[in-house]
Amino acid sequence: SQTIHQWPATLVQPVGSPLSLECTVEGTSNPNLYWYRQAAGRGLQLLFYSVGIGQISSEVPQNLSASRPQDRQFILSSKKLLLSDSGFYLCAWSALRTNSGANVLTFGAGSRLTVL
Amino acid sequence: TQLLEQSPQFLSIQEGENLTVYCNSSSVFSSLQWYRQEPGEGPVLLVTVVTGGEVKKLKRLTFQFGDARKDSSLHITAAQPGDTGLYLCAGGGTGANNLFFGTGTRLTVIP
Repeated sequence: SQTIHQWPATLVQPVGSPLSLECTVEGTSNPNLYWYRQAAGRGLQLLFYSVGIGQISSEVPQNLSASRPQDRQFILSSKKLLLSDSGFYLCAWSALRTNSGANVLTFGAGSRLTVL
Repeated sequence: TQLLEQSPQFLSIQEGENLTVYCNSSSVFSSLQWYRQEPGEGPVLLVTVVTGGEVKKLKRLTFQFGDARKDSSLHITAAQPGDTGLYLCAGGGTGANNLFFGTGTRLTVIP
């Protein structure tokens, strides 16, 4: 079965410090990978998605970047964190095709980032 | 960006009551998904509907996709405290970045 791991679960960082959140998927090959940010228990904002190694698409201009060095590894980074980067970050994966034709996402447990 | 509005934004009810959550958009979607998220965790898929007018039942939860595939509803019968959480609808189009999430409904079921 497929599993998704995301870490760290909680992170407190000072303004101006770097960031690295990591996500790995097991039990599948060539997944679509996603990074979302969620503000205060509301809807999800798509930050980045990737359909293959080294292929990154950014949905919104921001202080963050993403990389996919391996097929099942997705990393969210920042060189210098801002206060506004605080939030709940979620990694997710989906198969390229499903029986229903819908792009069904499976999420990690999330990473809570607090920038002070 | 395709906007999906959910209503109500917050809902607090007594155990045993019924409730309906709505997800509305001006855009047409090829599929509509509902997720539930508990505090400190990622959302978990409840159901996917793909046909206009489709109704799916998951125990006490009934999901309906609008005939025009622009809206959806989630009805919970005899709510239980375990139903507490954030309910998110998500509309799907085409492509890998094709899932657009709604604004969320936070449900609290009081024992």
